[in-house]
Amino acid sequence: GENVEQHPSTLSVQEGDSAVIKCTYSDSASNYFPWYKQELGKRPQLIIDIRSNVGEKKDQRIAVTLNKTAKHFSLHITETQPEDSAVYFCAASIYGGSQGNLIFGKGTKLSVKP
Amino acid sequence: NAGVTQTPKFRILKIGQSMTLQCTQDMNHNYMYWYRQDPGMGLKLIYYSVGAGITDKGEVPNGYNVSRSTTEDFPLRLELAAPSQTSVYFCASSTAGYGYTFGSGTRLTVV
Repeated sequence: GENVEQHPSTLSVQEGDSAVIKCTYSDSASNYFPWYKQELGKRPQLIIDIRSNVGEKKDQRIAVTLNKTAKHFSLHITETQPEDSAVYFCAASIYGGSQGNLIFGKGTKLSVKP
Repeated sequence: NAGVTQTPKFRILKIGQSMTLQCTQDMNHNYMYWYRQDPGMGLKLIYYSVGAGITDKGEVPNGYNVSRSTTEDFPLRLELAAPSQTSVYFCASSTAGYGYTFGSGTRLTVV
């Protein structure tokens, strides 16, 4: 089955700096790669996602890149703000059919220092 | 439109007791899931369903059971609760595995 590895497990940056979180996946059939943000005691919330037919996607300060050949994808947050502090999870799945189950990485705790 | 609703929000069980975690969604999603999240860890898939009457095991199904009699509801049953089942449980739904919506979670402690 699919296995998703996420690095680093913790990341501390100064406000205004950029943050990058990297994930690798094992199943070459995976075609959907979302990123979730989870604040303490809250539910995971989708912040951005990418499908395998796209190499990069941006949404304001957040971007995701995908390298299908190397089977890795990354989350980039620019101009970080204290409210970006949270745990971020990457995930992978084969969407559609009977295999639309997200397999999650173990998460990255991002701390943005004012 | 309430999204995905989970009850209860908190529960303390004694070892050996049973309980059902309720999950209902009003988005007409065919796909529904149960995940557990242990402290400092990611989410592990317990069971999933791609439609009413269809369920299948995920990564960590032992000690749990599910049913899916309607599109809206996907209850998770814990039989003979054990301390290892202390966790936060999240229900989610999606359209064919795309754009998951999570419920607010159930924090379960087994003592």
